[in-house]
Amino acid sequence: AQTVTQSQPEMSVQEAETVTLSCTYDTSESDYYLFWYKQPPSRQMILVIRQEAYKQQNATENRFSVNFQKAAKSFSLKISDSQLGDAAMYFCAYRLGGFKTIFGAGTRLFVKA
Amino acid sequence: EAGVAQSPRYKIIEKRQSVAFWCNPISGHATLYWYQQILGQGPKLLIQFQNNGVVDDSQLPKDRFSAERLKGVDSTLKIQPAKLEDSAVYLCASSFGLYSNQPQHFGDGTRLSIL
Repeated sequence: AQTVTQSQPEMSVQEAETVTLSCTYDTSESDYYLFWYKQPPSRQMILVIRQEAYKQQNATENRFSVNFQKAAKSFSLKISDSQLGDAAMYFCAYRLGGFKTIFGAGTRLFVKA
Repeated sequence: EAGVAQSPRYKIIEKRQSVAFWCNPISGHATLYWYQQILGQGPKLLIQFQNNGVVDDSQLPKDRFSAERLKGVDSTLKIQPAKLEDSAVYLCASSFGLYSNQPQHFGDGTRLSIL
């Protein structure tokens, strides 16, 4: 069965600094998608970034980038130049085909001014 | 474009009562999802619709939970009777289709508290 593990329940970063959130997953499949979602206190989940497993190049969206290590089944999120608005819960998620998306337990990110 | 609409935003009921949640997906989105998010956990898929057909309801507690999407647009999720462990946020999401690369768009969720 596929599982997604986020080993850091909480992380803290100073404003303007860089922080990396960790995610590992378990699958026997070779073609799948990985996502990072942000959930602020308002509760609405927002897609931050996605990665296709067949692509070797790491995805980048402005200040957000991933380090995708397929062999190690690792998918970390790097946030550069952290801003106060980045404070939220971050969920790593895995999706295979048209099947259900499996979410990790989340990492709460605090940003200090 | 308008986002995924959910109502109510909050609901408090006593155990053994029934409750219903409503979701209106983004216009044109064929796939609709209901998730249960218990405090401190990630969302767990309860049911997934493609138009008005069920794609996956393997984690839906069918003895008490039911969901429908009769016209392939908006959807309702019902719990009857509610148990204490049903206290959670219920998230609705939609996507254009079933393909993995299409992102899911989430509503604000309904926070359900069972007394």
